[in-house]
Amino acid sequence: DVKVTQSSRYLVKRTGEKVFLECVQDMDHENMFWYRQDPGLGLRLIYFSYDVKMKEKGDIPEGYSVSREKKERFSLILESASTNQTSMYLCASSFGGGRGNTQYFGPGTRLTVL
Amino acid sequence: DQQVKQNSPSLSVQEGRISILNCDYTNSMFDYFLWYKKYPAEGPTFLISISSIKDKNEDGRFTVFLNKSAKHLSLHIVPSQPGDSAVYFCAASVWSSYKLIFGSGTRLLVRP
Repeated sequence: DVKVTQSSRYLVKRTGEKVFLECVQDMDHENMFWYRQDPGLGLRLIYFSYDVKMKEKGDIPEGYSVSREKKERFSLILESASTNQTSMYLCASSFGGGRGNTQYFGPGTRLTVL
Repeated sequence: DQQVKQNSPSLSVQEGRISILNCDYTNSMFDYFLWYKKYPAEGPTFLISISSIKDKNEDGRFTVFLNKSAKHLSLHIVPSQPGDSAVYFCAASVWSSYKLIFGSGTRLLVRP
């Protein structure tokens, strides 16, 4: 079974704080993704990584950065949290390319910024 | 510009009946399509997929149909069960790309 885990299920932070969300996958997937889910907007891609130390911006990268130092681990960083970053954050991983684009998701982190 | 659209935000069906969830896409380059199911406070779970070389794929109670000429896919759940109540997302991809493009989701309620 594919296992994607996220460091926290629920997180409450204050405006201006630096926030770290961590994701770990155990399937040796090349690709990892960070999304946010908001009601009525579906899943929007923030950043993705197709290899260690490689990253590409998704559709809404502003206010976020990422880090991938090891293949199994992908971190999302909110440099200075703002209230409009209150959301559900979802991490996913996949083999990609010829081995399949099916993405497998972690349980999500519900982040509230006060 | 939304490349993948789920025009029905919600759907309510009686237990035991068929649920039909619809999805439209605009990009003719898409060649791989997926459905995910999401319960509240959980991550999406992969349900079923279909490649553009097929027009139908079945897995138990779940069947996905693809109509390439209409750029339309649908998910049929037969028979529907209360445990199927969740938000369903369709997603599309170009096989050579890493990315999935998601629709906005349809909330399915199956009434006992």
